[in-house]
Amino acid sequence: GQQLNQSPQSMFIQEGEDVSMNCTSSSIFNTWLWYKQDPGEGPVLLIALYKAGELTSNGRLTAQFGITRKDSFLNISASIPSDVGIYFCAGQRNAGNMLTFGGGTRLMVKP
Amino acid sequence: GAVVSQHPSWVICKSGTSVKIECRSLDFQATTMFWYRQFPKQSLMLMATSNEGSKATYEQGVEKDKFLINHASLTLSTLTVTSAHPEDSSFYICSASWRDYEQYFGPGTRLTVT
Repeated sequence: GQQLNQSPQSMFIQEGEDVSMNCTSSSIFNTWLWYKQDPGEGPVLLIALYKAGELTSNGRLTAQFGITRKDSFLNISASIPSDVGIYFCAGQRNAGNMLTFGGGTRLMVKP
Repeated sequence: GAVVSQHPSWVICKSGTSVKIECRSLDFQATTMFWYRQFPKQSLMLMATSNEGSKATYEQGVEKDKFLINHASLTLSTLTVTSAHPEDSSFYICSASWRDYEQYFGPGTRLTVT
């Protein structure tokens, strides 16, 4: 099935550093979502974006819905050890429809 | 947020047997439930979409006779892996949504077929 192009695939950073990851698609999505998945658990929604150009924050997390509706990025500021996990972007064409996931970004934070 | 549960959280079965996985929305009525599978270090791949009271819609390449999905009520969907084989070993995750609102994911079920 289709996947979104998510990068980087993995990051190993020092505690306190900022992190940025992004997703691109060859086709348009009307909703972009960012999830975090801890080992052996299901994804947890972090941020949902519904309008092109929208910039939304959730604590230390900030995400933007690209103006072309073909991309999105997620920033994490001042990373902490509990930020460790896999982050997935997901695109949705219409509300209630299936999600298309990116390949994931594995984040590792060194205390 | 809304809570979705899965049972069992992990299961080991012998090759050739069938396994049923339950997905429940605990505090909302799920008009649509989705089933995903995830292999180690890979992303989630949609297997099928099910709406309450109707037949599931399967993604291309997913055998509907092997992965039986039943969405009998607004709070319960089941996935039955029939005649399981080792290659069916995976992490199965469901999600649920009410009308056009956000999808909430269950904690996943790890299936190991020996």
